[in-house]
Amino acid sequence: GQNIDQPTEMTATEGAIVQINCTYQTSGFNGLFWYQQHAGEAPTFLSYNVLDGLEEKGRFSSFLSRSKGYSYLLLKELQMKDSASYLCAVRDSNYQLIWGAGTKLIIKP
Amino acid sequence: GAVVSQHPSWVICKSGTSVKIECRSLDFQATTMFWYRQFPKQSLMLMATSNEGSKATYEQGVEKDKFLINHASLTLSTLTVTSAHPEDSSFYICSAQDREPYEQYFGPGTRLTVT
Repeated sequence: GQNIDQPTEMTATEGAIVQINCTYQTSGFNGLFWYQQHAGEAPTFLSYNVLDGLEEKGRFSSFLSRSKGYSYLLLKELQMKDSASYLCAVRDSNYQLIWGAGTKLIIKP
Repeated sequence: GAVVSQHPSWVICKSGTSVKIECRSLDFQATTMFWYRQFPKQSLMLMATSNEGSKATYEQGVEKDKFLINHASLTLSTLTVTSAHPEDSSFYICSAQDREPYEQYFGPGTRLTVT
């Protein structure tokens, strides 16, 4: 079966760095996405990785290792507004998005 | 980036009535649209995949006669919740997939409350 695993909840301090991991097992691979979702709102796109390596975009970076079925989202200089759920999703061979359950990130002052 | 709209953003209806939710891709043509449901503090749950001009493909456990999906054009898909019950109260989100690179763009969501 297809499976995406990510931690349920993480807590970090304002100004610090946090890494959210995602491991996946899917039938085929056509890219991995990270989305941010604030409570009561729809997800918003953060990053897309299809090749191995690190993609940096401002305070957010995303890493992919296809051989290990592994990705992480790195958030630097955490701000209170970064408190949200972070969803990992993998696009399979049928171009369907397989979703993880999301990681709720709590930022403390 | 591409924009997807949903209407209404929130709706309250009485048990037994039907509610229609529209999803529009505003600046691109979407051959495929997806409908998700999300209960409080839970992740997205894919309900169905809708392709323009053909019948929707429903996920296991989703009643196709209760959740009617129509993808009449390349920019519009509708979800009709028929004979709504309180347990159908949820956050419904659509996404539209661009032709290339098959990116999914999400609408803002519709919060349905059935009383």
